[in-house]
Amino acid sequence: NAGVTQTPKFQVLKTGQSMTLQCAQDMNHNSMYWYRQDPGMGLRLIYYSASEGTTDKGEVPNGYNVSRLNKREFSLRLESAAPSQTSVYFCASSERFGAKETQYFGPGTRLLVL
Amino acid sequence: AQSVSQHNHHVILSEAASLELGCNYSYGGTVNLFWYVQYPGQHLQLLLKYFSGDPLVKGIKGFEAEFIKSKFSFNLRKPSVQWSDTAEYFCAVIPGGSYIPTFGRGTSLIVHP
Repeated sequence: NAGVTQTPKFQVLKTGQSMTLQCAQDMNHNSMYWYRQDPGMGLRLIYYSASEGTTDKGEVPNGYNVSRLNKREFSLRLESAAPSQTSVYFCASSERFGAKETQYFGPGTRLLVL
Repeated sequence: AQSVSQHNHHVILSEAASLELGCNYSYGGTVNLFWYVQYPGQHLQLLLKYFSGDPLVKGIKGFEAEFIKSKFSFNLRKPSVQWSDTAEYFCAVIPGGSYIPTFGRGTSLIVHP
């Protein structure tokens, strides 16, 4: 199993450009998450999908949209990128949506917005 | 505001030294607790977790953590670190009634050979 995969690994955007970060998991997990990691800030939840067909806002959803395409895939879209969105983005999944669930993380996407 | 605090932002140790990384949280009531590790250039992976029962939890690679409810703490320990333990360590807490973890800011550990 590949686990959680993310594409691309690196991306440079100009302010105002749009892009979609892709995430897929092959563990048949029900729940998926998008985080951003900034220096000194830890991980902050952007959006999550508790199950296929549902999505909800996390701590920092402004400037982002998500799509749970199917059970395997959960994409994150930046409609108009801003320098403040320069970050490392991690996708994660868990078998179920619950307080005792371990999350499994992807390798991350490093995004630089100029 | 509810939060998770990791007081040690940067820790530098020599091999064979003992390690203790602090994690404190501000939630009352039931909590589920996790420690994740991120090796350089890699993704986060679970070190250990605590839900209930014995407050001393053993994880992978010789790590352990102790839940002290009265101190709202879940400190990570290892008796003797190795160079390969160089990584960033994150504490995460899911308070009772929630399903979303809150992560601490992380502690960067550098182990000198």
